[in-house]
Amino acid sequence: AQSVTQLDSQVPVFEEAPVELRCNYSSSVSVYLFWYVQYPNQGLQLLLKYLSGSTLVKGINGFEAEFNKSQTSFHLRKPSVHISDTAEYFCAVTLLSGSARQLTFGSGTQLTVLP
Amino acid sequence: EAGVTQFPSHSVIEKGQTVTLRCDPISGHDNLYWYRRVMGKEIKFLLHFVKESKQDESGMPNNRFLAERTGGTYSTLKVQPAELEDSGVYFCASSLRAGRAPRGNEQFFGPGTRLTVL
Repeated sequence: AQSVTQLDSQVPVFEEAPVELRCNYSSSVSVYLFWYVQYPNQGLQLLLKYLSGSTLVKGINGFEAEFNKSQTSFHLRKPSVHISDTAEYFCAVTLLSGSARQLTFGSGTQLTVLP
Repeated sequence: EAGVTQFPSHSVIEKGQTVTLRCDPISGHDNLYWYRRVMGKEIKFLLHFVKESKQDESGMPNNRFLAERTGGTYSTLKVQPAELEDSGVYFCASSLRAGRAPRGNEQFFGPGTRLTVL
């Protein structure tokens, strides 16, 4: 079975500062990796995903993430955050093959951008 | 194109009552998933439909939960009778069939239904 750990439940950061949200996963087989964001009163929206190829993945709203297979990590980064980035961020994995298609999520990281 | 919609957005019921949640996936999406987030914990998988068939229901917590997807379009999730621990946010997601989704079977989520059992 696979699992996802988001090490920080809350991350406060000042506007225009850089931010990194950490995600580690555990799986006995290869997985796809995702970051989703949930803005207040909205559904989850896909930020970016890693399927294969370049380990640095760029997503929407200036976010990027780097897949590190040896460290089983997929940390999310943004060089300069805005107030509008305040939201909850979820890291998730799904199996690369087989019939199971569900996502396994981490517990989420609440990013709060302060003025 | 309309996204995934869920109804109701909020539901408050008493223990022992019945509640039915509805999900309308994106048109043409064969895969439909139900997830639940309880008390700020991680979002957990409940079950997966491919068209009208249950592909995987390994995440359903017990037999008080019944999911249907008649005709392969919208889905309902019924909780009967509801217990206090069923409170949480229920998310629905949909995606194309795996064979037609080379980008990793992206799932599109609805806004969720917040269920409160008193």
